[in-house]
Amino acid sequence: EIVMTQSPATLSVSPGESATLSCRASQSVSSNLAWYQQKPGQAPRLLIYGTSTRAIGIPARFSGSGSGTEFTLTISSLQSEDFAVYYCQQYNNWPPLTFGGGTKVEIK
Amino acid sequence: QLQLQESGPELVKPSETLSLTCTVSGGSISSSSYYWGWIRQPPGKGLEWIGSVYYSGSTYYNPSLKSRVTISVDTSRTQFSLKLFSVTAADTAVYYCARHDNYGPMDVWGKGTPVTVSS
Repeated sequence: EIVMTQSPATLSVSPGESATLSCRASQSVSSNLAWYQQKPGQAPRLLIYGTSTRAIGIPARFSGSGSGTEFTLTISSLQSEDFAVYYCQQYNNWPPLTFGGGTKVEIK
Repeated sequence: QLQLQESGPELVKPSETLSLTCTVSGGSISSSSYYWGWIRQPPGKGLEWIGSVYYSGSTYYNPSLKSRVTISVDTSRTQFSLKLFSVTAADTAVYYCARHDNYGPMDVWGKGTPVTVSS
């Protein structure tokens, strides 16, 4: 099983600033890495797939990078609607499909 | 526009079977491109993949739950279902259904349904 580890667990950011979230895989997942955003009481929403491709309707301030075992989600100029929990997920080697533990982006 | 909707009891007694159904609308469940999966999220915790089913009926399960899970598909009703046997309080969670392909992300999700295991 590929273990996904996200850091930090919580990130405090002021609106308008940038946020950088990290995700590490226990073994290479190539570029088969997705990021999801989840707000309270809602289902996760796909943001990024294939490490760096934005899903339909996702603003350009969300960007993904990395490969192999180290990945980054960057949110530039945080808007109020961006404060949420973010999960990474690998789909390179399954079953099982595995998620990271999440990073909560909160208002500073 | 493809939509997924979970349904089933919100309260299940310990040792009994949790049964949920996901109804697919606005698209075909029989597409050869996609798998149909179940994911759960205990209160205040992260996401856990339970398993997925292909339209042909082939199933794939999380090893951590494999002994207690059955997922099936009914293409005529455009539904797929989850059965989790011998539940305990640890199975209390919001259960989501979602679509994904073999090497792809979960791009469409249901809204989720809360299930509580309690006597």
